[in-house]
Order: sequence, then C-alpha cells, then structure tokens
Amino acid sequence: ETGVTQSPTHLIKTRGQQVTLRCSSQSGHNTVSWYQQALGQGPQFIFQYYREEENGRGNFPPRFSGLQFPNYSSELNVNALELDDSALYLCASSSGHKQETQYFGPGTRLLVL
Amino acid sequence: QQPVQSPQAVILREGEDAVINCSSSKALYSVHWYRQKHGEAPVFLMILLKGGEQKGHEKISASFNEKKQQSSLYLTASQLSYSGTYFCGTEGIIQGAQKLVFGQGTRLTINP
Repeated sequence: ETGVTQSPTHLIKTRGQQVTLRCSSQSGHNTVSWYQQALGQGPQFIFQYYREEENGRGNFPPRFSGLQFPNYSSELNVNALELDDSALYLCASSSGHKQETQYFGPGTRLLVL
Repeated sequence: QQPVQSPQAVILREGEDAVINCSSSKALYSVHWYRQKHGEAPVFLMILLKGGEQKGHEKISASFNEKKQQSSLYLTASQLSYSGTYFCGTEGIIQGAQKLVFGQGTRLTINP
C-alpha cells in the first residue's frame, strides 16, 4: 500500500467546464507531484508542490493550476476543459529530497466530451 | 528529453527471461523503474543512482551505466504477475523540483 489516495476515481465533463481533482499524500511526505497520463503513454509532469508552494512546472498551460494545504494534501484544477485533457491524472507523494522515490496514487480518470 | 525504452512490447511464456532497456540523450543521475498494471497506478520497483550499481528485487534486477546513459531492467524466470507496462523515469531538476521524465513504456505480457 502506498498510502496515497485520490478522488474521484472517475469523472466525465464537457468541454469548457472546470474540474478539481484531489490527492492525499502519504504520511510523512510534504511533496506532491501531479502527472497527466494519456492512453498508451508515460506520465507527463504537470507541477509539484512543496510545503504549500509550487515548486516546478512542466509544459502545461496556466489553466492547469494547483494548491497544497497545510496537511500536504493537494488539488489540481483545470479550467476551460478541452477534449485533449481526457487522461489519467496521477499524483505522487515524496519526502521532497532529491533522488527520492515518488509513490503514486490510484489516479483519477477524466473524460472530456 | 524523454528517455527511450526498448522494446515497446514483449510477449513471453511463464518462466522466460526479459530485458527492458532505457536510454537517454542527457546525463543520468538516477533512474527510477515502475510497473503499471492496466487501470492501476504505477508501482515503484527500484531506483538506481549513478555509480553503475545493480539492484535487485526478487527476480527483477536492474543495472545503470551512466557512461552509456542507459539502464536495463532484467526479469528472470518471469511469473504471470510480472505482466504490465514498465516505465523508466529519469530525474531532471526544473525550478528546483525533482521531476521525473518517463519513457513511453514497455508492455510485457506473460502467458502461461
């Protein structure tokens, strides 16, 4: 068991809508990274949160935003949804040290129609 | 720069061996290996740090050749439970954050 949980497990939205995905990090971990995984592809880094601050961002537009709370849980928000946003969204928690293992949650599968 | 994995897919019979390769055009400081079963989250297998060390977990082991900028995952006497997609992740630092850049994956199918 990794201890990382995500909600919801599945979500269906229409183009233009907004979505919020949630992640609870593993106990003792203060860093959460978010990834987007399209079908048949490897996970793509969206951004990372460390102690409530964004700490690195991948090649995703500003309509992808996030938050981290004092208990280190995190949210990923996506505005103005597009069809290409359909994917599995994974969060991974770690202790924040370099070369540290990241433990993934089960993911949220988002379908945009 | 995304690491390149080969082969893209492998089909084996139970008990056979497999090798999955991961190559990068950039200098590698660490390589992380994960296995993902269909519909599930990636599960951590092992991390290799620069220094060429080989690690093992049961009958799965890996090597890391920093000179060649590549890592290989070895699955010995494969079991049905080894089926899944294997990803290597190479570590990059972006704006101070440890970012894993994943390969496209290698789909491993083990048949009885």
